[in-house]
Amino acid sequence: GQQVMQIPQYQHVQEGEDFTTYCNSSTTLSNIQWYKQRPGGHPVFLIQLVKSGEVKKQKRLTFQFGEAKKNSSLHITATQTTDVGTYFCAGSPRAGTYKYIFGTGTRLKVLA
Amino acid sequence: KAGVTQTPRYLIKTRGQQVTLSCSPISGHRSVSWYQQTPGQGLQFLFEYFSETQRNKGNFPGRFSGRQFSNSRSEMNVSTLELGDSALYLCASSPAGWDEKLFFGSGTQLSVL
Repeated sequence: GQQVMQIPQYQHVQEGEDFTTYCNSSTTLSNIQWYKQRPGGHPVFLIQLVKSGEVKKQKRLTFQFGEAKKNSSLHITATQTTDVGTYFCAGSPRAGTYKYIFGTGTRLKVLA
Repeated sequence: KAGVTQTPRYLIKTRGQQVTLSCSPISGHRSVSWYQQTPGQGLQFLFEYFSETQRNKGNFPGRFSGRQFSNSRSEMNVSTLELGDSALYLCASSPAGWDEKLFFGSGTQLSVL
C-alpha cells in the first residue's frame, strides 16, 4: 500500500540551530499537510501545500512541495525550545479520497 | 468555538472486551475521521464519515467499526479487544473532509491488559 516515510526519525539540536525534516511518498500526492504534535498533545495543523514546487513560509518555518508532488520538507531556522515536538507530514493520495496518509514523524528535541 | 471533544480520555480494558469511543466535532463540521496512533506505527487512518455515511476506510480488521449520527457526532467501536489495540485513538473533524485541514481532539488513550 501507499507509504509516506519521514527522515530523520529523531533530531536533537542546540537552540539556535536549524532543523529540517523530509517527507517522501511512494506515490504522487494531491496535496500535503504538515502537523505538529507537542509531547502529550494532539496533532495541530501547520500548513497545506497543493501545487508542484510550492514554497510557503510561516515566520521561521519554510515548507516545500516537490516538483513531482512525491516529497516535501519542513525547515525551521534558528530553533527555539518552543519548537519541541513531533512533526508529521500527511499526504492525500488524490483529491476527494477523504483520507490522509501520515508520515512516520520526526521527533525534535531542542537543547537550551 | 469549542474544539473537538473526545470521551473518555482514558480507558483500561481487558482482552476480549469491547469498547466504544465518542467524538463530538467542532460545530458546523460534518466530516469526522478516526486515527490510531501507536509509537511503532504512527498515525493510521481508520475511517471517515460524512452525513452519517462512511466514505473511506483504512486497513483495519472488521473488529473496528464506526458510525456517525445526524448531529455529526461519531462513535467508534472495537470488539474482542487484543493487546495490540492499545493505542491513542484520535478523532479529527473538518467542514467537509475534502482536502481540508483536520482539527484533532485530545484523543482517547486505550490500554488493553
